[in-house]
Amino acid sequence: GAVVSQHPSWVICKSGTSVKIECRSLDFQATTMFWYRQFPKQSLMLMATSNEGSKATYEQGVEKDKFLINHASLTLSTLTVTSAHPEDSSFYICSARRIGPGAGYGYTFGSGTRLTVV
Amino acid sequence: QQQVKQSPQSLIVQKGGISIINCAYENTAFDYFPWYQQFPGKGPALLIAIRPDVSEKKEGRFTISFNKSAKQFSLHIMDSQPGDSATYFCAASNAQGGSEKLVFGKGTKLTVNP
Repeated sequence: GAVVSQHPSWVICKSGTSVKIECRSLDFQATTMFWYRQFPKQSLMLMATSNEGSKATYEQGVEKDKFLINHASLTLSTLTVTSAHPEDSSFYICSARRIGPGAGYGYTFGSGTRLTVV
Repeated sequence: QQQVKQSPQSLIVQKGGISIINCAYENTAFDYFPWYQQFPGKGPALLIAIRPDVSEKKEGRFTISFNKSAKQFSLHIMDSQPGDSATYFCAASNAQGGSEKLVFGKGTKLTVNP
């Protein structure tokens, strides 16, 4: 149980275009989802916290207008990288916090999306 | 206050040996301490986690030791195998306090030689 599906697993796009990444909790409800960015050989950097039905909370230094986050339901959050540029190339990972009886404090991560902007 | 310091940055262990990774934190409000394993090109996977009311937790070959007074916790991998070669991250959060953010250590790249 507690599976988070992230799509696509990799994407190549042209500079100036937008890319949407989906994060779905398959077998549980998640009121809170998190989006991370990871550079090679580095740790995960939290970009934003996404709450169902409300605006995302962005970490300091993360451009809200470039990284649009929508959390429309208890099982789906999306990250749209708008007007992507080569410096946006990175590994993006989502995470969902389980809720409900017995869920504890568990966080489940998606498998990540490798974005390459050319 | 939000930092989690992890060491070593890299670790090489022979097959069958014990791998030990250490983390230290500053924020005494942290109440959840998970360890994650990440393979290249994949998302992190929860390995084992501990709450501060317990000093040790063991799951198979993986053990977390927690020292609340020293604000330190460590991961021990017994009988290390080549398949354990991955990057390991410690993390912490103040889940009960309402802050759901996980604060990650910088990671340890473990290599287990056959």
